[in-house]
Amino acid sequence: AQSVTQLDSQVPVFEEAPVELRCNYSSSVSVYLFWYVQYPNQGLQLLLKYLSGSTLVESINGFEAEFNKSQTSFHLRKPSVHISDTAEYFCAVSRQGGSEKLVFGKGTKLTVNP
Amino acid sequence: GAGVSQTPSNKVTEKGKYVELRCDPISGHTALYWYRQSLGQGPEFLIYFQGTGAADDSGLPNDRFFAVRPEGSVSTLKIQRTERGDSAVYLCASSQQGRETQYFGPGTRLLVL
Repeated sequence: AQSVTQLDSQVPVFEEAPVELRCNYSSSVSVYLFWYVQYPNQGLQLLLKYLSGSTLVESINGFEAEFNKSQTSFHLRKPSVHISDTAEYFCAVSRQGGSEKLVFGKGTKLTVNP
Repeated sequence: GAGVSQTPSNKVTEKGKYVELRCDPISGHTALYWYRQSLGQGPEFLIYFQGTGAADDSGLPNDRFFAVRPEGSVSTLKIQRTERGDSAVYLCASSQQGRETQYFGPGTRLLVL
């Protein structure tokens, strides 16, 4: 079985500041890793994913995450946040192989203040 | 193209009633998933269909919950004898066969009074 721990339930930051949202996972098998974002009153959207290859993955809106196998982590970072990044962010894992259920963390509410 | 759609967007019912929640996946996606998201929690897996059959129903909490996908496209999640603890947002997602990326619908917010 897999599990995901998001250590921070809420992260308030000021606009243009850097941010890191932490995610640790536990699994006895190899996994894929995902970050999903949920903007206010909207559905879950895939932000970025790690499947294989380079351990650093990036999104189109400036977020990046690094897979660290030894620390079983997949932390999400952005060097300079915008007001529009205010949302809830969910880390998730699935077993490798495709068409596998996602196991989510409890989420981190990122609030960007002016 | 159209994304995953779910109806209704909101459902209010009374304790003990029966409800049906509908999910229309992305055209051509053979895999369909149901999740439940309670307040302050991440989504929790309920059931996964590959085509018409339930490949994994290990997340269904009890026998009041069941889901069908008779033609391999639209799916209906059915909840009998609803309880207040069933109140949550029910999410549906779909993916292409063998692919890891799931695309989520907007969810159905269920409130059991």
